[in-house]
Amino acid sequence: DAGVIQSPRHEVTEMGQEVTLRCKPISGHDYLFWYRQTMMRGLELLIYFNNNVPIDDSGMPEDRFSAKMPNASFSTLKIQPSEPRDSAVYFCASRRRAGGYTFGSGTRLTVV
Amino acid sequence: RKEVEQDPGPFNVPEGATVAFNCTYSNSASQSFFWYRQDCRKEPKLLMSVYSSGNEDGRFTAQLNRASQYISLLIRDSKLSDSATYLCVVGRGSGNTGKLIFGQGTTLQVKP
Repeated sequence: DAGVIQSPRHEVTEMGQEVTLRCKPISGHDYLFWYRQTMMRGLELLIYFNNNVPIDDSGMPEDRFSAKMPNASFSTLKIQPSEPRDSAVYFCASRRRAGGYTFGSGTRLTVV
Repeated sequence: RKEVEQDPGPFNVPEGATVAFNCTYSNSASQSFFWYRQDCRKEPKLLMSVYSSGNEDGRFTAQLNRASQYISLLIRDSKLSDSATYLCVVGRGSGNTGKLIFGQGTTLQVKP
């Protein structure tokens, strides 16, 4: 089992550019979560999916953020346009209905 | 007010010491409780679930007080390898359904 795979590991981009973060959950896991972690705010849940359907996106900060899960093995989190305050580590996590969470290694995003 | 509150620390203790972390949560409808561990620049990993009756896993003991909405983690005979950030986590649904809300974490530094 390869675990939850996120790409890229690091991303540095200029303000105003579009950023796309990618996640491949563990096969057979039917829940997928996107979290953001900063020193000031800790780990914040942005959005989560169940069977590829978005269930709760109340944590998405604003319209610049969007997330999709076109199939059970792939999800994206997009920021357009990016701003310096979006700099953070973005984690993807997945789980089975009755299982524990497994986090990916995260994407460290820096917007300059 | 944050939904899950922890003392950020840091807690600096010598090897062999016993250390306790506390956490409070505000949503009385919360049904599942966990402690996660996060090493520097790594993803969070499940340390242990927390049950109303209290539970122990080796040197680690977790307690839950639903009436006071209070969760604790006790680490006995601390090791250098216990140095990490400990995240108090509360789930909205029973078992592992629903989403997890993370506290900001308590940093532990165990010194020789």
